[in-house]
Amino acid sequence: AQKITQTQPGMFVQEKEAVTLDCTYDTSDQSYGLFWYKQPSSGEMIFLIYQGSYDEQNATEGRYSLNFQKARKSANLVISASQLGDSAMYFCAMSYNAGGTSYGKLTFGQGTILTVHP
Amino acid sequence: NAGVTQTPKFQVLKTGQSMTLQCAQDMNHEYMSWYRQDPGMGLRLIHYSVGAGITDQGEVPNGYNVSRSTTEDFPLRLLSAAPSQTSVYFCASSLLAAANTQYFGPGTRLTVL
Repeated sequence: AQKITQTQPGMFVQEKEAVTLDCTYDTSDQSYGLFWYKQPSSGEMIFLIYQGSYDEQNATEGRYSLNFQKARKSANLVISASQLGDSAMYFCAMSYNAGGTSYGKLTFGQGTILTVHP
Repeated sequence: NAGVTQTPKFQVLKTGQSMTLQCAQDMNHEYMSWYRQDPGMGLRLIHYSVGAGITDQGEVPNGYNVSRSTTEDFPLRLLSAAPSQTSVYFCASSLLAAANTQYFGPGTRLTVL
């Protein structure tokens, strides 16, 4: 069984500073995917970034980067140059991969609420 | 291209009533799934489908039925609503070959009294 742990219920950051949201995972699978989603107060789920377990480079998407440490089973999200609009709930999630296909069955963590102060 | 659509946006039911939450996508995605999100928690997988005619259970399937008669639609049926099913329901879809990109619908907020 897969498990995602997000130990920070809430985080605060000053505008324009960087922030790291923690995520650790547990799985016995060799092939898996790691995701981060943003959920603003309006409720929709917004995909931010994806990292495959065999990807050697850390994933980056604009101001988002995923600090993937496979041996530690961690997949922290780094947001650089925080903006007021980054205030939201952030979820780490994991998918099960097999035979080269990434199955979309996601296991989610409990989320971290990020508040960006002006 | 409307993406993933869900109807209704809000629904209030009485205990024991049944209803169907609708989910549709126009991206020809093989994979579709339903999640529920309880207050202060992450999403949990209810049911999923890898194509028309193929469905399977997720982590929390009890009290829900699904069917997939077309690629586009994946309705979720509550057989006899219970207060424990009060939640926000999200539908998601993706290509099987690109499940690293999941498209989520806007969600349905369901309250069972």
